[in-house]
Amino acid sequence: DQQVKQNSPSLSVQEGRISILNCDYTNSMFDYFLWYKKYPAEGPTFLISISSIKDKNEDGRFTVFLNKSAKHLSLHIVPSQPGDSAVYFCAASGYNAGNMLTFGGGTRLMVKP
Amino acid sequence: EAGVAQSPRYKIIEKRQSVAFWCNPISGHATLYWYQQILGQGPKLLIQFQNNGVVDDSQLPKDRFSAERLKGVDSTLKIQPAKLEDSAVYLCASTQGVDEKLFFGSGTQLSVL
Repeated sequence: DQQVKQNSPSLSVQEGRISILNCDYTNSMFDYFLWYKKYPAEGPTFLISISSIKDKNEDGRFTVFLNKSAKHLSLHIVPSQPGDSAVYFCAASGYNAGNMLTFGGGTRLMVKP
Repeated sequence: EAGVAQSPRYKIIEKRQSVAFWCNPISGHATLYWYQQILGQGPKLLIQFQNNGVVDDSQLPKDRFSAERLKGVDSTLKIQPAKLEDSAVYLCASTQGVDEKLFFGSGTQLSVL
């Protein structure tokens, strides 16, 4: 029972263009959403988050959008850089969902120079 | 500030053998987590400690997995006996309180042959 799904296992984008990574969730108790970034042989690192009371959060080149009615969130990276090439995990938690982080399966982003 | 330290980085064992992983969290972080990440999947929580007490171990296969955090600092995760399906990266993470913005270590990659 996958409560958080990232349906695209990989994405390839040209440097300077926009990268859009998508994530869907099924548990309506989730109220906090995060994106983590993982380079090979390293642990995931926190990138950006959004609370369910917002529909957008921006941090530099990274913007996360939340559509609660569709149970969908997306991460936009503009402009994409080769150093952004990594695996991106979507994660969700909620006070009434045990406050544990549930991760999606990840999307591998490749930014070509 | 030193990050989350894990050892060993890699471990190869045969099925039915036992193995142990060690984690030293960031200084002052009271909450410690062990995650299992199988190739192609997102991290899955195995156990969460708050100081030296277990907060959640509902997804820990207790017939073969055990974990302890005796003095509220370092933690050890043990598998005995190992099965082929235990092949994964075992990630340790820590936070100061109960916070979704986890700090992960680099992980231990376990191969069970």
